[in-house]
Amino acid sequence: KNQVEQSPQSLIILEGKNCTLQCNYTVSPFSNLRWYKQDTGRGPVSLTIMTFSENTKSNGRYTATLDADTKQSSLHITASQLSDSASYICVVSRNTGGFKTIFGAGTRLFVKA
Amino acid sequence: DAGVIQSPRHEVTEMGQEVTLRCKPISGHDYLFWYRQTMMRGLELLIYFNNNVPIDDSGMPEDRFSAKMPNASFSTLKIQPSEPRDSAVYFCASSLMAQFSSGNTIYFGEGSWLTVV
Repeated sequence: KNQVEQSPQSLIILEGKNCTLQCNYTVSPFSNLRWYKQDTGRGPVSLTIMTFSENTKSNGRYTATLDADTKQSSLHITASQLSDSASYICVVSRNTGGFKTIFGAGTRLFVKA
Repeated sequence: DAGVIQSPRHEVTEMGQEVTLRCKPISGHDYLFWYRQTMMRGLELLIYFNNNVPIDDSGMPEDRFSAKMPNASFSTLKIQPSEPRDSAVYFCASSLMAQFSSGNTIYFGEGSWLTVV
């Protein structure tokens, strides 16, 4: 069954600290994996996109990693800021004749001063 | 560019009424997507269009839902009749390439918050 599981469900950290969010998937055949940031009341915004051959992709203080063998991805946030408080959604696309995308439930991150 | 524009931003309607959500994609984008987001089910792809043609509507929950794209700059998602379980945030998104294409960025609108009472 094609699934995307994210952990933790929610996370509270202090401003300035680092954190890592996890995404495990069982999607096959794999096409690409995306991380989105969704602020409360807003639409998701793309952070990174990775294909099978990419291990790491950075976007400012956000660094995503992908291990296609273990089917795991992580999103590392460095020196967190209050504005990082948001939901982070992992999305995996299948490489099929049409296309199918499977969404994770998201991790809700709270950054406190 | 103004981004993907959706209207209305908020709608409260009574059960049984028709609801029409509107979307203007980013100019030049060939793909348009409609998503639904709820606390219980998260984000779900309902339907997507390529060059104004519906390609995959397998995510549309039931016949009460319909979507059209009469031209490259406008799409609608209609619910008739609406039910309380349709309450959700409906997002429209657009992109230059298909969602599965690597390197492709999908741009979301701000969503239409629908409450059916």
